[in-house]
Amino acid sequence: DAGVIQSPRHEVTEMGQEVTLRCKPISGHDYLFWYRQTMMRGLELLIYFNNNVPIDDSGMPEDRFSAKMPNASFSTLKIQPSEPRDSAVYFCASSLRQGGSYEQYFGPGTRLTVT
Amino acid sequence: AQSVTQPDIHITVSEGASLELRCNYSYGATPYLFWYVQSPGQGLQLLLKYFSGDTLVQGIKGFEAEFKRSQSSFNLRKPSVHWSDAAEYFCAVGARGFQKLVFGTGTRLLVSP
Repeated sequence: DAGVIQSPRHEVTEMGQEVTLRCKPISGHDYLFWYRQTMMRGLELLIYFNNNVPIDDSGMPEDRFSAKMPNASFSTLKIQPSEPRDSAVYFCASSLRQGGSYEQYFGPGTRLTVT
Repeated sequence: AQSVTQPDIHITVSEGASLELRCNYSYGATPYLFWYVQSPGQGLQLLLKYFSGDTLVQGIKGFEAEFKRSQSSFNLRKPSVHWSDAAEYFCAVGARGFQKLVFGTGTRLLVSP
């Protein structure tokens, strides 16, 4: 398996622009997680999905952030409008509940810089 | 609610020396515990996990961890550190029936020659 795929790997944008981050989970996994990592706040869970349905979005910082999972093989995290404080590395992870694994498999991340 | 504390932000170890990274958790029931490693520019990779049974668990890359319920700890150890072990290490706690994990703030390991 190719693992969790994220695109783009790097994104540089100007304040006020819309940013869309993409994630393809491991085939067959039924959970998908979006995290944000910064030096100041560490690794934060933003939102997670089960079978394409959002379960917990309490970590989404504000209304400028939105996430969707239109099907089992694709998810997006959108920031509109973007601000410099959104600069971070955004990770997507997936897991399979069957068999009680609980292990999350992480993608390589998208490094976002907002100028 | 679960929580994880990694008290050491940075640790420097000489190559060939032993390593212990500390992790303390807070959870009322039996936790599920994990150690992940993050190399520069990479995502997180699972080193090992504890669900139940033998409290000493073996992982990849020669790492092991011991679950101590009385101390609410799950410390990571390696008998002899290699330069390639330099990375950031995260402890995480989960709970039966919940896929969500709570991560600690991480410990950055530096390996000196």
